[in-house]
Amino acid sequence: DVKVTQSSRYLVKRTGEKVFLECVQDMDHENMFWYRQDPGLGLRLIYFSYDVKMKEKGDIPEGYSVSREKKERFSLILESASTNQTSMYLCASSQSYGYTFGSGTRLTVV
Amino acid sequence: KQEVTQIPAALSVPEGENLVLNCSFTDSAIYNLQWFRQDPGKGLTSLLLIQSSQREQTSGRLNASLDKSSGRSTLYIAASQPGDSATYLCAASSGGSYIPTFGRGTSLIVHP
Repeated sequence: DVKVTQSSRYLVKRTGEKVFLECVQDMDHENMFWYRQDPGLGLRLIYFSYDVKMKEKGDIPEGYSVSREKKERFSLILESASTNQTSMYLCASSQSYGYTFGSGTRLTVV
Repeated sequence: KQEVTQIPAALSVPEGENLVLNCSFTDSAIYNLQWFRQDPGKGLTSLLLIQSSQREQTSGRLNASLDKSSGRSTLYIAASQPGDSATYLCAASSGGSYIPTFGRGTSLIVHP
């Protein structure tokens, strides 16, 4: 069964910390995505990548960066975590046959 | 720019009912439309994917239809069960972009 794996289900970090969220897919998909999901705001695209070492800003990239050194791995980096980055973070990958999502990481910044 | 709307935002039905969830989109030049299920605190699980050349897809008790001319997709759930309780989201990809536009979802509760 194809999978997108997010390394952590729950994370609690302190304000100002550098935070890494990891995502790995085993489907050899070209495209990978990071979203955040907040009540009342729906899914918002942070960054996406259509190839190794390529990245594109989504709708809300401020305060985030990404890294894609290998095809299967796409990392989201919070350079200096802030309380307004408390959210559910969802990773996805896609090819021609639609999206596959990971199980999500609930990040709390205190 | 594609806009996707899901109405109603919330729905509560008794077990056993057949129900229809609606998804409308503004740009009819869609590439595909995908339905997802999301349980509380979890990621999205893909239910059905309809390519632009297709009219419907079926999986078990679920049937999704696509009408590009009217800008609508429906997800039909037959003989609903309490385990169907979740949020259902649709997402439309259009204009040659592989980045879909998501609706806000319909929160479904099926009570025994």
